[in-house]
Amino acid sequence: EAQVTQNPRYLITVTGKKLTVTCSQNMNHEYMSWYRQDPGLGLRQIYYSMNVEVTDKGDVPEGYKVSRKEKRNFPLILESPSPNQTSLYFCASSLSQGNREQYFGPGTRLTVT
Amino acid sequence: QKEVEQDPGPLSVPEGAIVSLNCTYSNSAFQYFMWYRQYSRKGPELLMYTYSSGNKEDGRFTAQVDKSSKYISLFIRDSQPSDSATYLCAMHYGQNFVFGPGTRLSVLP
Repeated sequence: EAQVTQNPRYLITVTGKKLTVTCSQNMNHEYMSWYRQDPGLGLRQIYYSMNVEVTDKGDVPEGYKVSRKEKRNFPLILESPSPNQTSLYFCASSLSQGNREQYFGPGTRLTVT
Repeated sequence: QKEVEQDPGPLSVPEGAIVSLNCTYSNSAFQYFMWYRQYSRKGPELLMYTYSSGNKEDGRFTAQVDKSSKYISLFIRDSQPSDSATYLCAMHYGQNFVFGPGTRLSVLP
């Protein structure tokens, strides 16, 4: 089944404790992206990657890191999480950067206390 | 002013009603216009996308774009309880995707 998977689905952590949210897709997509979703603000793009080893900042990159060492994986790293990073996070992928059809993962709900 | 504005609702309609969901945007660089549906506790899924001004139909769904007014709409005909979800409009140009905050729709049986 073609899909985007994320882990963990739910995470509660404390300020400053490094964490990684994994994202994997099995569709051989070149383009991958991370979003956060907050009430009233909609989905905001954090980082995106057009291909292996090619990443770039989205609208809200501060406090986040990403890497793209393999085509299928695009982990999101929070080196020192803060309470304002409490949010619902989505990973998405599409065939290429110019392709509008993004497939989203199921989401990761992160709470930073 | 936000780049993309969308009435957050919630919007409640009876089954069978015609639903109109709308977004306005400010950036004339946007080239592609999309509608996503998001069920509770799920990721968004693409319903439709369109490039030019005018209408695009897919079953009970019609997407309408008016670039001169910077206004897009999604119409749902013969709405069903299974259409109850949050609907997100999205715009795309270059490497950028910009989403509206979403409208929560409830279709009551």
